[in-house]
Amino acid sequence: EAQVTQNPRYLITVTGKKLTVTCSQNMNHEYMSWYRQDPGLGLRQIYYSMNVEVTDKGDVPEGYKVSRKEKRNFPLILESPSPNQTSLYFCASSHPARGDTQYFGPGTRLTVL
Amino acid sequence: AQKITQTQPGMFVQEKEAVTLDCTYDTSDPSYGLFWYKQPSSGEMIFLIYQGSYDQQNATEGRYSLNFQKARKSANLVISASQLGDSAMYFCAMREGPILTGGGNKLTFGTGTQLKVEL
Repeated sequence: EAQVTQNPRYLITVTGKKLTVTCSQNMNHEYMSWYRQDPGLGLRQIYYSMNVEVTDKGDVPEGYKVSRKEKRNFPLILESPSPNQTSLYFCASSHPARGDTQYFGPGTRLTVL
Repeated sequence: AQKITQTQPGMFVQEKEAVTLDCTYDTSDPSYGLFWYKQPSSGEMIFLIYQGSYDQQNATEGRYSLNFQKARKSANLVISASQLGDSAMYFCAMREGPILTGGGNKLTFGTGTQLKVEL
Protein backbone atom coordinates (compact mmCIF):
# COMPACT_ATOMS: atom_id res chain seq x y z
CA GLU A 1 0.00 0.00 0.00
CA ALA A 2 1.31 3.42 -1.01
CA GLN A 3 1.71 5.50 2.10
CA VAL A 4 3.57 8.03 4.19
CA THR A 5 4.32 6.90 7.74
CA GLN A 6 5.34 8.97 10.75
CA ASN A 7 6.57 8.01 14.17
CA PRO A 8 5.76 8.58 16.90
CA ARG A 9 2.10 9.48 16.52
CA TYR A 10 1.96 11.10 19.94
CA LEU A 11 4.77 12.53 22.02
CA ILE A 12 4.90 14.46 25.27
CA THR A 13 8.31 15.81 26.16
CA VAL A 14 9.99 18.54 28.21
CA THR A 15 11.68 21.74 27.17
CA GLY A 16 15.18 21.24 25.85
CA LYS A 17 15.13 17.47 25.36
CA LYS A 18 16.17 16.70 21.78
CA LEU A 19 13.73 14.66 19.74
CA THR A 20 13.33 13.28 16.25
CA VAL A 21 10.12 12.60 14.37
CA THR A 22 10.63 10.10 11.58
CA CYS A 23 8.91 10.17 8.20
CA SER A 24 9.08 7.53 5.51
CA GLN A 25 7.36 7.11 2.14
CA ASN A 26 7.23 4.06 -0.12
CA MET A 27 6.15 5.80 -3.32
CA ASN A 28 9.61 6.74 -4.59
CA HIS A 29 8.70 10.42 -4.42
CA GLU A 30 11.50 12.92 -4.80
CA TYR A 31 9.77 15.71 -2.93
CA MET A 32 9.05 15.59 0.80
CA SER A 33 7.93 18.28 3.20
CA TRP A 34 7.12 18.98 6.83
CA TYR A 35 4.19 21.10 8.00
CA ARG A 36 2.88 22.14 11.36
CA GLN A 37 -0.79 22.76 12.04
CA ASP A 38 -1.98 25.18 14.70
CA PRO A 39 -5.57 26.26 15.44
CA GLY A 40 -6.69 29.16 13.27
CA LEU A 41 -3.47 29.14 11.24
CA GLY A 42 -4.01 26.26 8.87
CA LEU A 43 -0.89 24.34 7.81
CA ARG A 44 2.46 26.05 7.53
CA GLN A 45 5.51 24.60 5.86
CA ILE A 46 8.59 24.07 8.02
CA TYR A 47 11.14 22.51 5.64
CA TYR A 48 11.11 20.70 2.37
CA SER A 49 13.40 18.52 0.30
CA MET A 50 13.54 18.28 -3.47
CA ASN A 51 15.72 15.17 -3.42
CA VAL A 52 18.46 13.37 -1.48
CA GLU A 53 20.80 15.87 0.19
CA VAL A 54 18.69 18.81 -1.08
CA THR A 55 16.70 20.61 1.62
CA ASP A 56 15.45 24.15 2.09
CA LYS A 57 13.53 26.27 4.56
CA GLY A 58 9.81 26.78 4.42
CA ASP A 59 7.84 29.51 6.14
CA VAL A 60 8.53 28.59 9.78
CA PRO A 61 11.92 26.84 10.00
CA GLU A 62 13.19 28.32 13.29
CA GLY A 63 13.92 25.68 15.90
CA TYR A 64 13.86 22.75 13.46
CA LYS A 65 16.38 20.75 11.46
CA VAL A 66 15.94 18.14 8.76
CA SER A 67 18.08 15.74 6.80
CA ARG A 68 17.56 13.71 3.63
CA LYS A 69 20.15 10.98 3.38
CA GLU A 70 17.86 8.50 1.65
CA LYS A 71 15.05 9.12 -0.78
CA ARG A 72 12.40 7.47 1.37
CA ASN A 73 13.20 9.11 4.72
CA PHE A 74 12.92 12.71 5.88
CA PRO A 75 13.27 13.07 9.66
CA LEU A 76 12.38 16.25 11.54
CA ILE A 77 14.70 17.13 14.39
CA LEU A 78 13.98 19.45 17.29
CA GLU A 79 17.34 20.06 18.95
CA SER A 80 15.94 21.99 21.93
CA PRO A 81 12.15 21.89 21.91
CA SER A 82 10.19 24.74 23.45
CA PRO A 83 6.50 24.99 24.42
CA ASN A 84 5.73 27.08 21.31
CA GLN A 85 6.58 24.00 19.24
CA THR A 86 3.60 22.18 20.68
CA SER A 87 1.64 21.39 17.54
CA LEU A 88 0.37 18.77 15.13
CA TYR A 89 3.08 17.87 12.61
CA PHE A 90 2.59 16.40 9.17
CA CYS A 91 5.04 14.93 6.75
CA ALA A 92 4.04 14.89 3.07
CA SER A 93 5.45 13.66 -0.21
CA SER A 94 4.49 14.35 -3.78
CA HIS A 95 5.05 13.48 -7.39
CA PRO A 96 4.59 15.69 -10.48
CA ALA A 97 1.72 13.52 -11.73
CA ARG A 98 -1.80 14.64 -10.78
CA GLY A 99 -0.79 18.21 -10.33
CA ASP A 100 1.94 17.45 -7.81
CA THR A 101 -0.60 16.31 -5.26
CA GLN A 102 0.90 16.03 -1.81
CA TYR A 103 0.08 12.94 0.24
CA PHE A 104 0.24 13.31 3.98
CA GLY A 105 1.32 11.06 6.80
CA PRO A 106 -1.03 10.43 9.72
CA GLY A 107 0.38 13.27 11.81
CA THR A 108 2.41 13.51 15.03
CA ARG A 109 0.86 15.30 17.96
CA LEU A 110 3.69 16.87 19.97
CA THR A 111 3.36 18.47 23.39
CA VAL A 112 6.35 20.26 24.89
CA LEU A 113 5.99 20.99 28.61
CA ALA B 1 -3.28 39.60 1.49
CA GLN B 2 -4.43 36.06 2.14
CA LYS B 3 -3.66 33.75 -0.74
CA ILE B 4 -6.40 31.28 0.20
CA THR B 5 -9.57 32.44 1.91
CA GLN B 6 -12.20 30.18 3.39
CA THR B 7 -14.90 32.42 4.80
CA GLN B 8 -17.05 29.75 6.47
CA PRO B 9 -15.50 28.66 9.77
CA GLY B 10 -18.36 26.20 10.32
CA MET B 11 -21.28 24.75 8.41
CA PHE B 12 -24.14 22.37 9.04
CA VAL B 13 -25.85 20.20 6.44
CA GLN B 14 -28.53 17.55 6.66
CA GLU B 15 -27.71 14.01 5.64
CA LYS B 16 -28.31 13.33 1.92
CA GLU B 17 -28.27 17.04 1.08
CA ALA B 18 -25.61 18.71 -1.08
CA VAL B 19 -23.28 21.28 0.46
CA THR B 20 -20.89 23.83 -0.99
CA LEU B 21 -17.71 24.89 0.82
CA ASP B 22 -16.29 28.19 -0.38
CA CYS B 23 -12.71 28.92 -1.33
CA THR B 24 -11.28 31.99 -3.01
CA TYR B 25 -7.65 32.39 -3.97
CA ASP B 26 -5.26 35.10 -4.96
CA THR B 27 -2.42 34.66 -7.40
CA SER B 28 -0.99 36.48 -10.37
CA ASP B 29 0.66 33.36 -11.75
CA PRO B 30 -1.20 31.93 -14.78
CA SER B 31 -0.20 28.39 -13.81
CA TYR B 32 -1.44 27.05 -10.49
CA GLY B 33 -3.26 24.16 -8.91
CA LEU B 34 -6.05 23.98 -6.38
CA PHE B 35 -6.58 21.15 -3.91
CA TRP B 36 -9.10 20.15 -1.31
CA TYR B 37 -8.23 18.05 1.71
CA LYS B 38 -10.42 16.51 4.40
CA GLN B 39 -9.30 16.25 8.01
CA PRO B 40 -11.55 14.07 10.18
CA SER B 41 -11.40 14.25 13.97
CA SER B 42 -8.77 11.49 13.92
CA GLY B 43 -6.39 14.08 12.45
CA GLU B 44 -5.11 12.70 9.17
CA MET B 45 -5.14 14.82 6.00
CA ILE B 46 -6.95 13.09 3.15
CA PHE B 47 -6.62 14.33 -0.42
CA LEU B 48 -10.01 14.77 -2.11
CA ILE B 49 -9.73 16.57 -5.42
CA TYR B 50 -7.43 18.60 -7.68
CA GLN B 51 -8.05 21.30 -10.30
CA GLY B 52 -5.35 22.71 -12.56
CA SER B 53 -5.59 26.30 -13.76
CA TYR B 54 -5.58 25.20 -17.40
CA ASP B 55 -8.11 22.42 -16.97
CA GLN B 56 -11.15 23.11 -19.13
CA GLN B 57 -13.60 21.09 -17.11
CA ASN B 58 -14.44 21.11 -13.44
CA ALA B 59 -12.84 18.25 -11.55
CA THR B 60 -14.99 15.49 -10.12
CA GLU B 61 -14.13 12.58 -7.83
CA GLY B 62 -17.12 10.49 -6.82
CA ARG B 63 -19.39 12.64 -4.64
CA TYR B 64 -16.90 15.52 -4.72
CA SER B 65 -16.81 18.15 -7.43
CA LEU B 66 -14.90 21.37 -7.69
CA ASN B 67 -16.78 24.40 -8.98
CA PHE B 68 -13.91 26.29 -10.60
CA GLN B 69 -14.66 29.88 -11.60
CA LYS B 70 -11.37 31.25 -12.85
CA ALA B 71 -12.46 34.84 -13.45
CA ARG B 72 -13.83 35.07 -9.92
CA LYS B 73 -10.84 33.20 -8.50
CA SER B 74 -13.01 30.76 -6.68
CA ALA B 75 -12.70 27.00 -6.26
CA ASN B 76 -15.66 25.82 -4.24
CA LEU B 77 -15.99 22.20 -3.15
CA VAL B 78 -19.38 20.61 -3.66
CA ILE B 79 -20.24 17.46 -1.73
CA SER B 80 -23.34 15.72 -3.03
CA ALA B 81 -25.54 13.44 -0.93
CA SER B 82 -23.81 14.23 2.37
CA GLN B 83 -23.09 11.36 4.75
CA LEU B 84 -22.42 11.37 8.48
CA GLY B 85 -18.83 10.37 7.69
CA ASP B 86 -18.35 13.64 5.82
CA SER B 87 -18.27 15.51 9.13
CA ALA B 88 -14.74 16.89 9.23
CA MET B 89 -12.58 19.94 8.68
CA TYR B 90 -12.03 20.78 5.01
CA PHE B 91 -9.01 22.68 3.72
CA CYS B 92 -8.52 24.41 0.40
CA ALA B 93 -4.91 24.72 -0.79
CA MET B 94 -3.06 26.22 -3.73
CA ARG B 95 0.14 25.46 -5.59
CA GLU B 96 1.46 28.56 -7.35
CA GLY B 97 3.49 28.25 -10.52
CA PRO B 98 4.00 25.38 -12.95
CA ILE B 99 4.72 21.91 -11.67
CA LEU B 100 8.45 21.49 -11.17
CA THR B 101 10.17 18.60 -12.91
CA GLY B 102 10.70 16.69 -9.69
CA GLY B 103 7.58 18.02 -8.05
CA GLY B 104 7.64 20.02 -4.91
CA ASN B 105 5.82 23.26 -5.28
CA LYS B 106 4.82 24.66 -1.93
CA LEU B 107 1.19 24.41 -0.92
CA THR B 108 -0.53 27.34 0.76
CA PHE B 109 -3.52 26.38 2.88
CA GLY B 110 -6.64 28.18 3.98
CA THR B 111 -7.78 28.11 7.58
CA GLY B 112 -10.45 25.49 6.94
CA THR B 113 -14.20 24.96 7.21
CA GLN B 114 -15.64 22.65 9.87
CA LEU B 115 -18.53 20.70 8.35
CA LYS B 116 -21.08 18.92 10.50
CA VAL B 117 -23.54 16.53 8.87
CA GLU B 118 -26.76 16.05 10.82
CA LEU B 119 -29.46 13.38 10.67
